[in-house]
Amino acid sequence: DTAVSQTPKYLVTQMGNDKSIKCEQNLGHDTMYWYKQDSKKFLKIMFSYNNKELIINETVPNRFSPKSPDKAHLNLHINSLELGDSAVYFCASSQGYRGYEQYFGPGTRLTVT
Amino acid sequence: AQRVTQPEKLLSVFKGAPVELKCNYSYSGSPELFWYVQYSRQRLQLLLRHISRESIKGFTADLNKGETSFHLKKPFAQEEDSAMYYCALLIYNQGGKLIFGQGTELSVKP
Repeated sequence: DTAVSQTPKYLVTQMGNDKSIKCEQNLGHDTMYWYKQDSKKFLKIMFSYNNKELIINETVPNRFSPKSPDKAHLNLHINSLELGDSAVYFCASSQGYRGYEQYFGPGTRLTVT
Repeated sequence: AQRVTQPEKLLSVFKGAPVELKCNYSYSGSPELFWYVQYSRQRLQLLLRHISRESIKGFTADLNKGETSFHLKKPFAQEEDSAMYYCALLIYNQGGKLIFGQGTELSVKP
């Protein structure tokens, strides 16, 4: 299936741990994004990469670090996890980043205990 | 400030009734607006965008620059329309950032 995939789907971990979420797209897109959806279902952009170059870097704690090894992958690494990091994280991709449809992954539900 | 506001957190209607999900935006540039939908246990997906001026699944949305609104409408709601709907504003000169509204949960009762 051509799509945006994320692993893992669920992630339960303790405060202070470091974790990564992986995202892959096989749509041939050149732009990828990370969004955070909080408990009130509010969606907010965190980062975007275009051709492996960081384009958007919102006001996100520097414990969050995106890494794009190639155009098809954008991983999110989180250091020293806090309770407030609990959320659903969505990856998305698009061809270009100006006015093009973004295709979303299924989301990763992160729970920090 | 760039902002998208969806004033209704939950909208409940009966099947066959008209539905309107409200969206207002604040943006100094030329707006490009979208409606995304998230059905239960499914991923977020594009429903429609204003420049396409098309009707998808019976939904339409018209950009009103005077009222800075982009309301989503459907004349006869169906049960399968029950979902979370997000209005989104594209900011071109900030790397194509999408700013989402808070979302409106539409519940269509039989």
